[in-house]
Amino acid sequence: QQPVQSPQAVILREGEDAVINCSSSKALYSVHWYRQKHGEAPVFLMILLKGGEQKGHEKISASFNEKKQQSSLYLTASQLSYSGTYFCGTEIVGSARQLTFGSGTQLTVLP
Amino acid sequence: DTEVTQTPKHLVMGMTNKKSLKCEQHMGHRAMYWYKQKAKKPPELMFVYSYEKLSINESVPSRFSPECPNSSLLNLHLHALQPEDSALYLCASSQDNPSNEKLFFGSGTQLSVL
Repeated sequence: QQPVQSPQAVILREGEDAVINCSSSKALYSVHWYRQKHGEAPVFLMILLKGGEQKGHEKISASFNEKKQQSSLYLTASQLSYSGTYFCGTEIVGSARQLTFGSGTQLTVLP
Repeated sequence: DTEVTQTPKHLVMGMTNKKSLKCEQHMGHRAMYWYKQKAKKPPELMFVYSYEKLSINESVPSRFSPECPNSSLLNLHLHALQPEDSALYLCASSQDNPSNEKLFFGSGTQLSVL
């Protein structure tokens, strides 16, 4: 079951903030976040496990609301290097290793 | 070494050809994956190997045949492909359980089927 990601695309100026959302209709065991630049492999950002938590990675952080089966990725004070397509990946309870990716959010940071 | 290496980077093949994609990692990871990614779409899981045994096959057509000769290598054998199989094929690896471990992706093989 593919998670639903929003928005589809975001355009920012350097220094602005953005939020990307990911939701599932199924009970989740984990949510992963990856960033993929054009022509490159997806790169891991963070994992959030059920139990509801928030994690941070420099100016990029994420939260996981287990009750709502929703996760949000927060990018603060965006940098040009943040440009790329962000995918959330979800692992449904009972489906070990079957990471299903959302449709992606294309983030463009302009100078 | 924190890399997943995929070869070739590009491949063009006819519908009657037989070819293989290769993937290698030396991080001691025990789970390896094949994903297929169409342009502007998310990666789609095809196969998962855990401890060199096929653990997940996401109803992939038999013209795709995976093989895991040892814990460091993963192959994808291709035969009688269709033009719609043209895509970026990504290999990934993880310690074992992706619930606790991130996936390391290779840079992919861009496949064109003519």
